[in-house]
Amino acid sequence: DAKTTQPNSMESNEEEPVHLPCNHSTISGTDYIHWYRQLPSQGPEYVIHGLTSNVNNRMASLAIAEDRKSSTLILHRATLRDAAVYYCILRDPNQGGSEKLVFGKGTKLTVNP
Amino acid sequence: EAGVVQSPRYKIIEKKQPVAFWCNPISGHNTLYWYLQNLGQGPELLIRYENEEAVDDSQLPKDRFSAERLKGVDSTLKIQPAELGDSAVYLCASSFASYNEQFFGPGTRLTVL
Repeated sequence: DAKTTQPNSMESNEEEPVHLPCNHSTISGTDYIHWYRQLPSQGPEYVIHGLTSNVNNRMASLAIAEDRKSSTLILHRATLRDAAVYYCILRDPNQGGSEKLVFGKGTKLTVNP
Repeated sequence: EAGVVQSPRYKIIEKKQPVAFWCNPISGHNTLYWYLQNLGQGPELLIRYENEEAVDDSQLPKDRFSAERLKGVDSTLKIQPAELGDSAVYLCASSFASYNEQFFGPGTRLTVL
């Protein structure tokens, strides 16, 4: 599995934007970049995913570098409810073994009031 | 729409005792996953079902762990006998198909004394 590298922790203030980085220098051409997050005492939840182009949904935006070796999850206005561990995961739908999610340790985001 | 349901939410047992966890996936989801999450770590896959067939159980410690998904809907994960090192959160997830977004339940927190 292609690996991802994320900072262990980040802090933000409420109502400010948050940029969560992820490095994936060994990404293959067919790997999709997925983000999940895990709120305290809950199971992970899907946030967003993309392949090459930047993506937006109601939860966040995903900015993907032109060489695809890094990406950034953007929360436009952090709320206290966004405090969670954020996981960046690579999945290749054309490769056996990618049916499962391979989680790293993720980035623990703290949001200050 | 109801999410993935797991029970119990918490379980405390003594070592060498058996324990079972139950999962009801989202209606219509053919793929069901059991993940193990140790403290401070990301979840790791134990077993994946496609309908009633276990298609990836390579990470399941088969000497003490067993799982079943009768009729391709609900699933049960069992540990017999439990060991101190089994203390963790056991997460169930489901998806419509293997490469689709996964929906997680809240997990069962197991404490083995």
